[in-house]
Amino acid sequence: AQSVAQPEDQVNVAEGNPLTVKCTYSVSGNPYLFWYVQYPNRGLQFLLKYITGDNLVKGSYGFEAEFNKSQTSFHLKKPSALVSDSALYFCAVRDTYSGAGSYQLTFGKGTKLSVIP
Amino acid sequence: KAGVTQTPRYLIKTRGQQVTLSCSPISGHRSVSWYQQTPGQGLQFLFEYFSETQRNKGNFPGRFSGRQFSNSRSEMNVSTLELGDSALYLCASTTGTSGSRGDTQYFGPGTRLTVL
Repeated sequence: AQSVAQPEDQVNVAEGNPLTVKCTYSVSGNPYLFWYVQYPNRGLQFLLKYITGDNLVKGSYGFEAEFNKSQTSFHLKKPSALVSDSALYFCAVRDTYSGAGSYQLTFGKGTKLSVIP
Repeated sequence: KAGVTQTPRYLIKTRGQQVTLSCSPISGHRSVSWYQQTPGQGLQFLFEYFSETQRNKGNFPGRFSGRQFSNSRSEMNVSTLELGDSALYLCASTTGTSGSRGDTQYFGPGTRLTVL
């Protein structure tokens, strides 16, 4: 079975400071990893994903994430936080060996990011 | 290209009623998945359809069902509604044709269901 853990329910950061939202995963095979963001009363918006290759993945709105296989982590980062980055962030995993071709994602519980002006 | 659309955006029902939610995927996408989002349980996978066939199903009771039409549009139905079914129901679509399971799922805005 696959699982995702986001150890922090909430992260507070001052505007202009770097931010990190943590994610660790567990899968049987190799992982496909995703980050999504959700603004109030909205659906999930795709930020970036790791499939294979370079461990540093760059995504939308200046976000990036670092895949670390030995630590089974995929932390989301941004060098300089904006107030508009305040939202709920979800990490998700898809196991390459599960579900007979299924695209099912398993999500973490989410981390609420608050950027303080 | 238009994104994933879901209708209606908001629904209020009473216990025991049934409800049907609709999802139109991104043009050209053939795989549609449904998720339930609640404050307590987070995001949980309901089911996935590809070319009108259910390919995968989450751990939900039989009151939850779905289908997909030949134009890839999908509906989900919940019968005999319970208070605990109150949630945001999200639909996501994927091309499903690239051969790569690394394809991205793109989500719609969701349908907010309130059961009274």
